[in-house]
Amino acid sequence: DAMVIQNPRYQVTQFGKPVTLSCSQTLNHNVMYWYQQKSSQAPKLLFHYYDKDFNNEADTPDNFQSRRPNTSFCFLDIRSPGLGDAAMYLCATSRGQGAVTDTQYFGPGTRLTVL
Amino acid sequence: GQNIDQPTEMTATEGAIVQINCTYQTSGFNGLFWYQQHAGEAPTFLSYNVLDGLEEKGRFSSFLSRSKGYSYLLLKELQMKDSASYLCACLDSNYQLIWGAGTKLIIKP
Repeated sequence: DAMVIQNPRYQVTQFGKPVTLSCSQTLNHNVMYWYQQKSSQAPKLLFHYYDKDFNNEADTPDNFQSRRPNTSFCFLDIRSPGLGDAAMYLCATSRGQGAVTDTQYFGPGTRLTVL
Repeated sequence: GQNIDQPTEMTATEGAIVQINCTYQTSGFNGLFWYQQHAGEAPTFLSYNVLDGLEEKGRFSSFLSRSKGYSYLLLKELQMKDSASYLCACLDSNYQLIWGAGTKLIIKP
């Protein structure tokens, strides 16, 4: 089945220790998104790729970086995690060819704990 | 500014009907989505509306009025598994998704 996969599902890291979260998709979608979601809050878009074009949200901290080496994979790097970065990180994909087909499909998420 | 408003929490009884409202103010409009999110899990797509009117999909229906900046999600024959958060999100003129904070729906037997 075509899907969005995130690894790991749960990640524990220490304050200040770099961590990388991964996302892969078999949907062959053009667009990949990274969201941060804290409890009882809306998902917050960090950045997205349209093919290889990187789009950073204005309020995304420099501590967050992303890489998309190919169509299928996208990575979220947190260079120096702080306690405030503990959250669920959601990866999503969409075709990006117009509103009707631009439905975003989400992976299961990675819950990050910072000790 | 852009804003999506929906109630924080609602309670309903198993087998009943519930309507979750959403009002929006966005820079342009290219459609409205409803997602379901169970605790600790990712959002899953429920519906998309871009034209005025009602879209029915099994027990779930979604309504849109663009002139009023208003949508609702209607859930019929509620089941315990429908206990979840329901997120309303709009595509703005830049095709960016603007999210509401979600409505936590609690189903009681």
